[in-house]
Amino acid sequence: DAKTTQPPSMDCAEGRAANLPCNHSTISGNEYVYWYRQIHSQGPQYIIHGLKNNETNEMASLIITEDRKSSTLILPHATLRDTAVYYCIVDKAAGNKLTFGGGTRVLVKP
Amino acid sequence: GAVVSQHPSRVICKSGTSVKIECRSLDFQATTMFWYRQFPKQSLMLMATSNEGSKATYEQGVEKDKFLINHASLTLSTLTVTSAHPEDSSFYICSATSLAVSKDTQYFGPGTRLTVL
Repeated sequence: DAKTTQPPSMDCAEGRAANLPCNHSTISGNEYVYWYRQIHSQGPQYIIHGLKNNETNEMASLIITEDRKSSTLILPHATLRDTAVYYCIVDKAAGNKLTFGGGTRVLVKP
Repeated sequence: GAVVSQHPSRVICKSGTSVKIECRSLDFQATTMFWYRQFPKQSLMLMATSNEGSKATYEQGVEKDKFLINHASLTLSTLTVTSAHPEDSSFYICSATSLAVSKDTQYFGPGTRLTVL
């Protein structure tokens, strides 16, 4: 499975958009980009996933570059409850075992 | 959406005893269940993959005789930590996936915090 690189931490202001980058330069053609988050002392929560096209749901938007070597998760209006560790994972299917990297620790500040 | 529960949420036990953790898919039948372990300030590490009715597949370095996994039905998987020691203290998380629900999403339980004294 392709490896991902994320910044270890970032702060963002409540009410503003949070843009979380992820590099996956070795991604193969049939691998998806998945985003999960883990709020402290809870299990991970699925956010969004995509293959080539940009995706949007009620939680977030996922922007994937044309060469698919990087992506950005966008939380449009961050709230204090969005404080969590965000994991970017590349895999052929979420039904496979997922490899969690270090993730990005996001702190939303009032 | 698909919900996965774990029981208990917290458990404290004495060294040398065995502890059983249950993982249930509440509103769907899980084709596959996974067990992860997470130490403080670290990421999740996969321990094993479990398919209903068959033996679990363990990741390298995980002792199958110490971490017994049973997946007897499509809605229940159990992890038994045998002869637990303080170094087994960790946050244990299960997840489940189902082709019938979504092949692209893995649903996680809330986790079980194990403390071995």
